[in-house]
Amino acid sequence: AQSVTQLDSQVPVFEEAPVELRCNYSSSVSVYLFWYVQYPNQGLQLLLKYLSGSTLVKGINGFEAEFNKSQTSFHLRKPSVHISDTAEYFCAVSEMRAQKLVFGQGTRLTINP
Amino acid sequence: KAGVTQTPRYLIKTRGQQVTLSCSPISGHRSVSWYQQTPGQGLQFLFEYFSETQRNKGNFPGRFSGRQFSNSRSEMNVSTLELGDSALYLCASSLPGTDTQYFGPGTRLTVL
Repeated sequence: AQSVTQLDSQVPVFEEAPVELRCNYSSSVSVYLFWYVQYPNQGLQLLLKYLSGSTLVKGINGFEAEFNKSQTSFHLRKPSVHISDTAEYFCAVSEMRAQKLVFGQGTRLTINP
Repeated sequence: KAGVTQTPRYLIKTRGQQVTLSCSPISGHRSVSWYQQTPGQGLQFLFEYFSETQRNKGNFPGRFSGRQFSNSRSEMNVSTLELGDSALYLCASSLPGTDTQYFGPGTRLTVL
C-alpha cells in the first residue's frame, strides 16, 4: 500500500517570492508521482508528473518538482509566485499500471500582495 | 479535444434516496476512475473501469457502485444516501497503457 504526506496544510507567501510545497511518500513498490492543482469549485488539473528518467520534472505554469528516491520525496517548487497561483495543491502516487491515485491531504497556497 | 465531462454539476438529495452520476471521458480514453473528495477524508479512490470491467475498487461500502458502457462512458450510483455521502465526486480518464489521469470538474452532491 502507498501513502502520501504533505507536510504543510497551508503555505502563505508574498507575490513574486519563491515557494516550495513538500511531499513525502511511502511505498513498497515503484510508483509514479504527480502534482495536481485545484482552483475553487473546480476539478483537479495536472501540474506535472514523474514516471521515469530525469529526476527534475518541469510542469505547467512555471512549476517544477524533484524526485528524490532516497528521501522518498517529491517537493514542488516555483521560483516566483503570482496571485493566480492561489489554490490547493495535491501530491499523489500511483502504483505502476494500477490507475489508482493515492493523494496527500493537500496544501493550500495563499499568495499575499 | 474536449476534456472529461461530468453531469450533473450539482445535485441535492435527501437521506435514503439514490443518485446516479455520469462521466464522459476524453475521446480515446478507455479507463475511467472515480474519486470522492470531502473536507474530512480528502480525496479517496472509489473504483476504476476499463473496457466495461471493474479492475480496481477502493474501500467503500456496497452502496457505491459503478458501471462502464461500450463507448467508455461511466456512471456511478449511490443507493440509500447518508449525510456523510455529501462530497465532490470526481471522475478521471486515461489512455490505454498510460498512467496519467485527467480529471473532470466534478459533481457536488449534497445530502439533506
